[in-house]
Amino acid sequence: DQQVKQNSPSLSVQEGRISILNCDYTNSMFDYFLWYKKYPAEGPTFLISISSIKDKNEDGRFTVFLNKSAKHLSLHIVPSQPGDSAVYFCAASADTGRRALTFGSGTRLQVQP
Amino acid sequence: NAGVTQTPKFQVLKTGQSMTLQCAQDMNHEYMSWYRQDPGMGLRLIHYSVGAGITDQGEVPNGYNVSRSTTEDFPLRLLSAAPSQTSVYFCASSYRGIYGYTFGSGTRLTVV
Repeated sequence: DQQVKQNSPSLSVQEGRISILNCDYTNSMFDYFLWYKKYPAEGPTFLISISSIKDKNEDGRFTVFLNKSAKHLSLHIVPSQPGDSAVYFCAASADTGRRALTFGSGTRLQVQP
Repeated sequence: NAGVTQTPKFQVLKTGQSMTLQCAQDMNHEYMSWYRQDPGMGLRLIHYSVGAGITDQGEVPNGYNVSRSTTEDFPLRLLSAAPSQTSVYFCASSYRGIYGYTFGSGTRLTVV
């Protein structure tokens, strides 16, 4: 049973518009959430994270929102650029030591020029 | 600064063969872990370590062995390869889980 779910396998947006990637989780013990970006033939690259004590975290064009009551988080990319085209993974940790991560299945984002 | 280095990048094994996937990091990270990525399933945790001499099982540990004799190295051993172990394997490291994990570029393993 997947504890972290990314229900949209793919998303296509126009350059300059907003990309919104969604993630749902079932384990109420998760208290730390991360987004990773992955290009083909490369390892995932850390993008942004958020602790459960916050509901928003920003880093440049990337913002992560956390809705604990809905067990939902989202990644907003504004404005979207063609170089953002990649697979995005949501991950979570239920461990105060953050020793291991549980990943979603990923969403492939394509930004059209 | 090399980060996380995985070798080999590609490997083909016959069923029943054994091999070791190598992982090394030069960032003095305490935490290291192994994941496998399969289509439509994201990354699943195989084994992880929080320091030299300490390892623990993840979500899918069967058929794999690990040890951590130094901070830098965390090899993953396949004891008797099976076609179900065909996957892309990623090693990752982190400074105590803070600032996320740094991943290697992966090993693509095919078992025939």
